[in-house]
Amino acid sequence: DAKTTQPNSMESNEEEPVHLPCNHSTISGTDYIHWYRQLPSQGPEYVIHGLTSNVNNRMASLAIAEDRKSSTLILHRATLRDAAVYYCILDRNFNKFYFGSGTKLNVKP
Amino acid sequence: GAVVSQHPSWVICKSGTSVKIECRSLDFQATTMFWYRQFPKQSLMLMATSNEGSKATYEQGVEKDKFLINHASLTLSTLTVTSAHPEDSSFYICSARLRDRGSYEQYFGPGTRLTVT
Repeated sequence: DAKTTQPNSMESNEEEPVHLPCNHSTISGTDYIHWYRQLPSQGPEYVIHGLTSNVNNRMASLAIAEDRKSSTLILHRATLRDAAVYYCILDRNFNKFYFGSGTKLNVKP
Repeated sequence: GAVVSQHPSWVICKSGTSVKIECRSLDFQATTMFWYRQFPKQSLMLMATSNEGSKATYEQGVEKDKFLINHASLTLSTLTVTSAHPEDSSFYICSARLRDRGSYEQYFGPGTRLTVT
């Protein structure tokens, strides 16, 4: 399985941008990069995904390094509802998701 | 769109009994569904991949005779925990795969909390 590395936890102030990093040095050419988040006692929620180019949607932006060995999830204005565990996952060959330990984001009011 | 439901949301059973958990894709057809298990303060662990009309494939270390998976239709997969024991107590989460422009998204159910007494 393709491995990703994320910081265990991060903290942000409400209304400020948050940059959540992910390292995936073993990524291969066809691996998609997915981000999900999970609130306590809930199933994961899709956030965003990309292959090579940066991506934007209503929830977040995904910045992918030119060599694709790292990516950054950007929440433009963090709210208290964004406090969750964020998982960065490599999707290899349209196959299974292997979750790493994720980053627990704490948002301070 | 892309809503996945699970039933029940929580269940308590006695040791030695079996429990069935249902996973349904409500507004799309899912040829593939996945089952995960999550222990407190840990990440999700993939248990098995369920393909409609065929046998499930299990991850290494997951007992296929204990965790029976059936994917009888394009919208329903079930996980049966047989002869449950307290160590099977966990949060069980299913997901269904949806293809979107070359990338397979997974949409997750809300989870089922199983407690074995």
